[in-house]
Amino acid sequence: QQQVKQSPQSLIVQKGGISIINCAYENTAFDYFPWYQQFPGKGPALLIAIRPDVSEKKEGRFTISFNKSAKQFSLHIMDSQPGDSATYFCAARNPHNTNAGKSTFGDGTTLTVKP
Amino acid sequence: DAGITQSPRHKVTETGTPVTLRCHQTENHRYMYWYRQDPGHGLRLIHYSYGVKDTDKGEVSDGYSVSRSKTEDFLLTLESATSSQTSVYFCAISERTGRSKNIQYFGAGTRLSVL
Repeated sequence: QQQVKQSPQSLIVQKGGISIINCAYENTAFDYFPWYQQFPGKGPALLIAIRPDVSEKKEGRFTISFNKSAKQFSLHIMDSQPGDSATYFCAARNPHNTNAGKSTFGDGTTLTVKP
Repeated sequence: DAGITQSPRHKVTETGTPVTLRCHQTENHRYMYWYRQDPGHGLRLIHYSYGVKDTDKGEVSDGYSVSRSKTEDFLLTLESATSSQTSVYFCAISERTGRSKNIQYFGAGTRLSVL
């Protein structure tokens, strides 16, 4: 059972446009929702994260919107730039996993921003 | 890459041979994880560790074993490599599992090809 479903699988956006990546989850126990950015040949790196008691979090051009009732959250990249071209992963953490706050990852979205 | 070194970075091996991948951290973080990344599957947890000699299975642990004899080192062993284990392997570390802290820091990855 996939606990975090991410869409779309790939996304092409023109420079200056808005990129939107969506994730949906089932487990209401999840309490922390990070997004990771991964460039080719590199490991993923934390981009931005949100807790479920907040509906929106913004850091520069990156915004997470969180809808607790719908169990959905999304990443918005405003004024998308070619340098934003990367793979983005959403994740969700279950605090009730024993011994470690394991995160469940979405399958990833490959974003291409065309100049 | 947050004081995480994975070795080797690239390896080609033959089916049936044992393979050990090493993750070394200089951050003194308690938690360490091994993931594999495959197209269309995102990041899948293989094994994780919550302390020296304390490890547990992830969602895709079959065919893999791990060991952690020191805080800084987490080893992933493929006892008898198969072609289905061709993948990119990432090590990650995290410091705390409190409600607001589950940032995972990833290494640069090891690309393993099993022929």
